[in-house]
Amino acid sequence: AQKVTQAQTEISVVEKEDVTLDCVYETRDTTYYLFWYKQPPSGELVFLIRRNSFDEQNEISGRYSWNFQKSTSSFNFTITASQVVDSAVYFCALDNYGQNFVFGPGTRLSVLP
Amino acid sequence: EPEVTQTPSHQVTQMGQEVILRCVPISNHLYFYWYRQILGQKVEFLVSFYNNEISEKSEIFDDQFSVERPDGSNFTLKIRSTKLEDSAMYFCASRETDSSGANVLTFGAGSRLTVL
Repeated sequence: AQKVTQAQTEISVVEKEDVTLDCVYETRDTTYYLFWYKQPPSGELVFLIRRNSFDEQNEISGRYSWNFQKSTSSFNFTITASQVVDSAVYFCALDNYGQNFVFGPGTRLSVLP
Repeated sequence: EPEVTQTPSHQVTQMGQEVILRCVPISNHLYFYWYRQILGQKVEFLVSFYNNEISEKSEIFDDQFSVERPDGSNFTLKIRSTKLEDSAMYFCASRETDSSGANVLTFGAGSRLTVL
């Protein structure tokens, strides 16, 4: 069975701090994809990144970076120099080429000015 | 950039009424989905649809729910005899499989259903 765990329910940081959102997944499959989605207060789901299970290279995109470690089944997301506009709920998700994604419960990030 | 469009953005209905939520997926996508998010909770899979039929559904998607693609562009979710616990945000998504083989879901902005 597939499962995604985001142990941090809520995180609050002060603007310009770095923050890391944790994601741990479970799957029996050797081929799968991992995703992060952002849900701002307006409610829509915004795709941020995908990684495939064969590529453990970390990725940086502006202030965002992702650390994929297959050995620990983790796919953590770091925001550097956080901004108030980063305040949102962030969902980690897993897809094993099945028919649907499995989402984690989400982490609510509040960036305070 | 292509997007998934959902209507209405918010619907208020009385318990026991039928509701139809509409979605226009991205035109060249072949797989369509409905997800549900009860306020403050996780995003839950309801149903996937491919080639004009349901390909997978969750235990949430019982006989109260149905989906169809009536005209080749719209993708609808019908909820019969709504209950208070059906109050949620309903997200439509469509899927492309890009050149890497990844299944990237593009979500609509959601339809908020409030059942009174």
